[in-house]
Amino acid sequence: KAGVTQTPRYLIKTRGQQVTLSCSPISGHRSVSWYQQTPGQGLQFLFEYFSETQRNKGNFPGRFSGRQFSNSRSEMNVSTLELGDSALYLCASSLAGLRQGSYEQYFGPGTRLTVT
Amino acid sequence: EDQVTQSPEALRLQEGESSSLNCSYTVSGLRGLFWYRQDPGKGPEFLFTLYSAGEEKEKERLKATLTKKESFLHITAPKPEDSATYLCAVQANNNFNKFYFGSGTKLNVKP
Repeated sequence: KAGVTQTPRYLIKTRGQQVTLSCSPISGHRSVSWYQQTPGQGLQFLFEYFSETQRNKGNFPGRFSGRQFSNSRSEMNVSTLELGDSALYLCASSLAGLRQGSYEQYFGPGTRLTVT
Repeated sequence: EDQVTQSPEALRLQEGESSSLNCSYTVSGLRGLFWYRQDPGKGPEFLFTLYSAGEEKEKERLKATLTKKESFLHITAPKPEDSATYLCAVQANNNFNKFYFGSGTKLNVKP
C-alpha cells in the first residue's frame, strides 16, 4: 500500500508571498492532519480534516488555512509568508478509529519551506 | 492545559548499552499514548500505541511501558541503526483526533 505523499518536497519563497502544499493520504484514510515542525518548537498541530470538514484547529494565525477534497487529498495554504514560517510541514493520515479503534498517524516525508 | 515533556533531549549510547527514554504527560483523561521514530529528513514513523497503565508493547529492541503519568521507551542492547529522534504523542479522551507531541529525544548510538 502506498504511503503518504507530499508535494513539493522543497520550496523557497520570499516574505509576503503565499504557498500551497499538497498531501495525498494512504488509500482508505479519511483523516488528514497537518503539523509544523521546527527545531525550537517541535511538532505543532495546525489542523485536521475528515471527510472534507475541518474538525480541529491548532493555535496558528488565520494566514494558515487548509482544505480537503472528496478523494481525501488535502492542501494547506500559507498566505503573506513570514520568515518565521520556515519549517518542515508534515502531513499525516489516519483511519481515525474507523477500524478497531486505531488512531495512529502515518506521516509523509514533509515539505521543507524556506522563507527568505 | 495538555502537555507532553520528553527527557532527555539528547542521549548518546555505546552499542549494546541499554537505556530508557521518558515521556511525561498531563492530559485531561488519556485515551492513548503513541511513540514514533523520526530519521533525519523524514516524517515520523509509527511504533506503538499504549492505552492503559501497566500496558507494555515490544518491537525488536524497543519496549514501551505506560503509567498514569508517564511512559518509558526502553532500548535494549541498541545498535547504530537505532539512532533517530523518538517522539511521543498523547491523545485525550475529550478529542480523539487531536494529538499533543513532545519535543523528542535524539538518540545517538555509537559503534
